[in-house]
Amino acid sequence: KQEVTQIPAALSVPEGENLVLNCSFTDSAIYNLQWFRQDPGKGLTSLLLIQSSQREQTSGRLNASLDKSSGRSTLYIAASQPGDSATYLCAVFDNTNAGKSTFGDGTTLTVKP
Amino acid sequence: GAVVSQHPSRVICKSGTSVKIECRSLDFQATTMFWYRQFPKQSLMLMATSNEGSKATYEQGVEKDKFLINHASLTLSTLTVTSAHPEDSSFYICSASGEPYEQYFGPGTRLTVT
Repeated sequence: KQEVTQIPAALSVPEGENLVLNCSFTDSAIYNLQWFRQDPGKGLTSLLLIQSSQREQTSGRLNASLDKSSGRSTLYIAASQPGDSATYLCAVFDNTNAGKSTFGDGTTLTVKP
Repeated sequence: GAVVSQHPSRVICKSGTSVKIECRSLDFQATTMFWYRQFPKQSLMLMATSNEGSKATYEQGVEKDKFLINHASLTLSTLTVTSAHPEDSSFYICSASGEPYEQYFGPGTRLTVT
């Protein structure tokens, strides 16, 4: 059974800092991995999707990497802003599980002005 | 990008009543839709997978008679919480997939049972 772990559970940084969020998964036979942002009481906003054949994806100040063999992904946020404060969720989509996704518990990020 | 809507966004109901939540794919045909549940400060837990025109597949521990799922068309799936109780209060999120393993998420429905 796939398990997804996100570390740290919470992170507080001053504005302007670069930061890295970590995601690890136990079964490397994934189809793709997706990073989401969730604001309190809101739904999910997709940030980046990395196919299993890719090693990284970039969008603006965000960069996500994927190392399938080691079961790890990182989300790098450059020059953090207070508006980046949210919970960041990592989800993996399995090859052999009918497209089902497994979510990590998320990292709650607070960027202080 | 693909858009998925949910209705209602928020609902309050009395214990013992039933509530229906709709999930629609607005600009694509979704062969598969997924229903998730999220408790406060916890991650999303998959409840069931539904394919258009067939019965939903429920995850272990999810009561199929309590959470009725209908996927009657390629753009609409519904989740009905029957005889709701306060412990059913949660945030329900659907996702829709038109391509294998590409899921697009709805904005969620906050259910409060009093």
